[in-house]
Amino acid sequence: DVQLVESGGGLVQPGRSLRLSCAASGFTFDEYAFHWVRQAPGKGLEWVSGINWNGASTGYAESVKGRFTISRDNAKNSLYLQMNSLRTEDTAFYYCAKAREGEWLLWPFNSWGQGTLVTVSS
Amino acid sequence: QSVLTQPPSVSGAPGQRVTISCTGSNSNLGAGYDAHWYQQLPGTAPKLLIYDNTNRPSGVPDRISGSKSGTSASLAITGLQPEDEGDYYCQSFDSSLSGWVFGGGTKLTVL
Repeated sequence: DVQLVESGGGLVQPGRSLRLSCAASGFTFDEYAFHWVRQAPGKGLEWVSGINWNGASTGYAESVKGRFTISRDNAKNSLYLQMNSLRTEDTAFYYCAKAREGEWLLWPFNSWGQGTLVTVSS
Repeated sequence: QSVLTQPPSVSGAPGQRVTISCTGSNSNLGAGYDAHWYQQLPGTAPKLLIYDNTNRPSGVPDRISGSKSGTSASLAITGLQPEDEGDYYCQSFDSSLSGWVFGGGTKLTVL
């Protein structure tokens, strides 16, 4: 069974950094693209970033470009999101999502983790 | 303001049929990019419900269907059941933004 488990969320002050991780199991990790999607409490879904199967291609939402960096370690079956210069509006549940195939631009998200909550507040 | 526009809410009685619309533009649905639909039940993570406009992943019942025409897509649920209550999101790729976009979400209430 596909399992995606996010970690690294918590309370952080504005301007500080946080690194999220997503541990994957139950499938061949390096065959698939991955994404981070966030959801502010009581709000809708917002795509944050995507990465292809080998890490060579990435994409970001305008709202996080230049502040967030997505990466992956295929040897560790793990996905990461480095979040710098955090703002209060970044407060949300952050979900790790697996794409149906290897390129992040092409395929829908067919498996999701349970999410980790990031709260940005002073 | 979402790039893809959905009605905030829809409702129906058990056994009835409801549809949820998703309106985009010439940089996403109208450019030929597919519509995908996700279901989010209360307190849970989203789940892929329809992909590539009309296709159901295994395990999704055939009373759920999708369609797409031009700059719009639609999700239909027939034989409404109480467990269908939740939020539904459409998604597509947007060439102007060079990224994925979601609709604002539609809350389905089973009366």
